[in-house]
Amino acid sequence: AQSVTQPDIHITVSEGASLELRCNYSYGATPYLFWYVQSPGQGLQLLLKYFSGDTLVQGIKGFEAEFKRSQSSFNLRKPSVHWSDAAEYFCAVGALGSARQLTFGSGTQLTVLP
Amino acid sequence: GAVVSQHPSRVICKSGTSVKIECRSLDFQATTMFWYRQFPKQSLMLMATSNEGSKATYEQGVEKDKFLINHASLTLSTLTVTSAHPEDSSFYICSAARQASGGDTQYFGPGTRLTVL
Repeated sequence: AQSVTQPDIHITVSEGASLELRCNYSYGATPYLFWYVQSPGQGLQLLLKYFSGDTLVQGIKGFEAEFKRSQSSFNLRKPSVHWSDAAEYFCAVGALGSARQLTFGSGTQLTVLP
Repeated sequence: GAVVSQHPSRVICKSGTSVKIECRSLDFQATTMFWYRQFPKQSLMLMATSNEGSKATYEQGVEKDKFLINHASLTLSTLTVTSAHPEDSSFYICSAARQASGGDTQYFGPGTRLTVL
């Protein structure tokens, strides 16, 4: 069975600082990886996804993530955080080529200090 | 592109009544849609997979007679909470799978906050 671990429940950074949110997955084959963001009372917005190919993927809002097979990780990064980035971030894994059974991590709450 | 809407965004009902939530993919067709439930400060819990033209597939522990799902077209799935009780109060989110070369991606609606009095 596939699983996702987001070790950090809550992260606080200052506006303008860099950010890295951790995600580790467990999956028996090549995974299909996603990062979503959720603002309070809202649905999830897709930030980026990894299918195959280049292991560094670029997403919306200046986010990027790097797939590291040897570490079973797919960490999300942003070089300079904006106050509007404060939200809940979810990492998810699916079977290769299919988003039909996604497994979500427990989420990381990001607080941005002025 | 890839916009998913949900209606209503918020509903309050009395215990024992039924509530219908609509999920629409606005700019793509989705043969598969998903319904999730989210409790405060928690991740998403998959309730069921909705397949156009066929019966939904429910996750273990989800009462299919209580949470009725209909996926009558390629752009619309509905979730009906029958005989709602206060413990059904939650945030319900749908998603639609958009097919593309390389694989599908789930796009999510904005969610529906259900409060049962």
